[in-house]
Amino acid sequence: SQQGEEDPQALSIQEGENATMNCSYKTSINNLQWYRQNSGRGLVHLILIRSNEREKHSGRLRVTLDTSKKSSSLLITASRAADTASYFCATVSWAYSGAGSYQLTFGKGTKLSVIP
Amino acid sequence: NAGVTQTPKFRVLKTGQSMTLLCAQDMNHEYMYWYRQDPGMGLRLIHYSVGEGTTAKGEVPDGYNVSRLKKQNFLLGLESAAPSQTSVYFCASSYGQGTSDSTGELFFGEGSRLTVL
Repeated sequence: SQQGEEDPQALSIQEGENATMNCSYKTSINNLQWYRQNSGRGLVHLILIRSNEREKHSGRLRVTLDTSKKSSSLLITASRAADTASYFCATVSWAYSGAGSYQLTFGKGTKLSVIP
Repeated sequence: NAGVTQTPKFRVLKTGQSMTLLCAQDMNHEYMYWYRQDPGMGLRLIHYSVGEGTTAKGEVPDGYNVSRLKKQNFLLGLESAAPSQTSVYFCASSYGQGTSDSTGELFFGEGSRLTVL
């Protein structure tokens, strides 16, 4: 089963508002990443937060991580119409049944619509 | 700099036919991945590779085979296509997995849309 689960599945806001998306996961992780996907395109990496970090910022993005609750949130401040996209969290955890390496698995995503 | 290139971008197959999707990266990345994306399911890991000559199973490996004979290429094969394999396939590569000094950032191709009739 997929490691991460985003919430909400869909979010619609007005331009200028903040958008918050949440991600919950099941097993211990090494790090958690957020990606963005514009319709019909490949995913683009936004930010990575390691398991020993609690918060990171990158431009208008703020990511938090609570390992005790196995959850993360992505905040986009002052949203723009160009932020309209799907956002995915991805967790990196040890793949016991794999090649003896870490494995990166994605959640189902949050579809964000920013209305001009 | 091309990044990650997938070929073909579109393909229609009949049930039982075989095909190979090619992924090529020019960033000298060690790690390469194949994902499939279906509506409402997000991205699911099919197979991955941690270096030339290595492959490993992901979340949904059944019905697929992979090979990494050259560091820059990662091939995904369907030996006998089934309608359930209709999907958009994404290849990705990374230098590391974010577990040490690497950023762990995945670079994605633009996807290959496969329809199996």
